[in-house]
Amino acid sequence: QVQLQESGPGLVKPSQTLSLTCTVSGGSISSGGYYWSWIRQHPGKGLEWIGYIYYSGSTYYNPSLKSRVTISVDTSKNQFSLKLSSVTAADTAVYYCAREVVIAANGWFDPWGQGTLVTVSS
Amino acid sequence: DIQMTQSPSSVSASVGDRVTITCRASQGIKTWLAWYQQKPGTAPKLLIYAASSLQSGVPSRFSGSGSGTDFTLTISSLQPEDFATYFCQQANSFPRTFGQGTKVEIK
Repeated sequence: QVQLQESGPGLVKPSQTLSLTCTVSGGSISSGGYYWSWIRQHPGKGLEWIGYIYYSGSTYYNPSLKSRVTISVDTSKNQFSLKLSSVTAADTAVYYCAREVVIAANGWFDPWGQGTLVTVSS
Repeated sequence: DIQMTQSPSSVSASVGDRVTITCRASQGIKTWLAWYQQKPGTAPKLLIYAASSLQSGVPSRFSGSGSGTDFTLTISSLQPEDFATYFCQQANSFPRTFGQGTKVEIK
C-alpha cells in the first residue's frame, strides 16, 4: 500500500526557509485522482491545511500562507516538497504530508506520513 | 473559508459506552465531510469519508451521518483503543479546514 515519509531539518532559524520533502512509496505520484498535500499541526492544536500539488505541477495554497509557500514535485524521484519562507516561531509545528483522494475536486486525506516536528528557533 | 465547529471539545466515557461527536459547518457542504482519529504522537487516520462511508479496515462500531451543515460521528460501543482525539474535515472547498478536535477520555 502507499506510504509517505517526510524528511528535512528539525530546526530552522527565524527568517529562514523551512524545506521538507515527502517520499512516496508503494505507488506512483503520477497516478491521477490524487492531490499531494501538506498539513501542519501546531503543538497541542488542530490541523491546518497548507496546500497541494498535482503530479502535473498545478498547485493550490492556503490563502493564509500563500505568499510564503511553494510546493513542488519530482515525479522521477516520486517525491514532493514544501518550502515555507520567512519563518517565525509561529511556524513551529508538526508537518505532515498526505495524499488527498479527490472526487470532483472534493477530497479527504489518506494515507498520511508519520509527521516531522519543525522548530523555529535561533 | 468554511469554519468547522466540533462539540464537545472533550468527553469522558467508559468502555462499552455509546459516544456521539458533532461537527457543524459554517455553510452547506452536502456530504463532503471526513472524520479522522488521532492518537498521541501519531498521524491522523481516516475513519469516515463522504459523511457516512466507512474507510476500509475501520471497525463497524464507527459510523457517520449528516448532510448540509450538521454531521455526527458515533462510536456504538467504545473500546480501549478508541481513546483518542477525533477531527472532522470539510472536503467541499478550498482551503480544506478541520474542526478543532474532540478528545475522548477514559472515565
